[in-house]
Amino acid sequence: SQQGEEDPQALSIQEGENATMNCSYKTSINNLQWYRQNSGRGLVHLILIRSNEREKHSGRLRVTLDTSKKSSSLLITASRAADTASYFCATDYLRDNYGQNFVFGPGTRLSVLP
Amino acid sequence: NAGVMQNPRHLVRRRGQEARLRCSPMKGHSHVYWYRQLPEEGLKFMVYLQKENIIDESGMPKERFSAEFPKEGPSILRIQQVVRGDSAAYFCASSPWTAAGGELFFGEGSRLTVL
Repeated sequence: SQQGEEDPQALSIQEGENATMNCSYKTSINNLQWYRQNSGRGLVHLILIRSNEREKHSGRLRVTLDTSKKSSSLLITASRAADTASYFCATDYLRDNYGQNFVFGPGTRLSVLP
Repeated sequence: NAGVMQNPRHLVRRRGQEARLRCSPMKGHSHVYWYRQLPEEGLKFMVYLQKENIIDESGMPKERFSAEFPKEGPSILRIQQVVRGDSAAYFCASSPWTAAGGELFFGEGSRLTVL
């Protein structure tokens, strides 16, 4: 089955440090996306990287994609306490007949300590 | 442009009652997804709908659960005869689907507690 798997499951760092989260998946994809979820809230889209892209930046976020290894990483630089949240990767792929499916991994819980 | 609206945000039901969760997608979005999330876990896909059409319901239990997205009005996830194991957060997301793919826009979720 198509499934994103993040590691680590939980990560605790000091403010100012960088945080790296990894995601692996099993089958071919259309795009890979990262989402953030604050406790008790809905998910918010952070960044999308297409299958023909290798790296993408958005502010303090850097995402890489290695389709040969079926893996992606999310790097948050100069972390802040406000970055404390759960981070999920989602693979999306086009269905054979119509539409688009998204599959989410179990997430990485990031704690940034002040 | 309002985001994805879900209601109720919190719902308490006793075993055997029915739960109805509603989702209004973002304006212009014709695709709706429902996910279920247990505490400290990821999102589990349940059902994918387009207006008046169920595209994929492979993640939804065959019994007691149903979903619809009528031509007019919100999408509804219905759980009949709820059991304690149905307690979870249910998230709705919408997408303006294109062949190039796109992102999901999530609501704040409906938290169901079954007593």
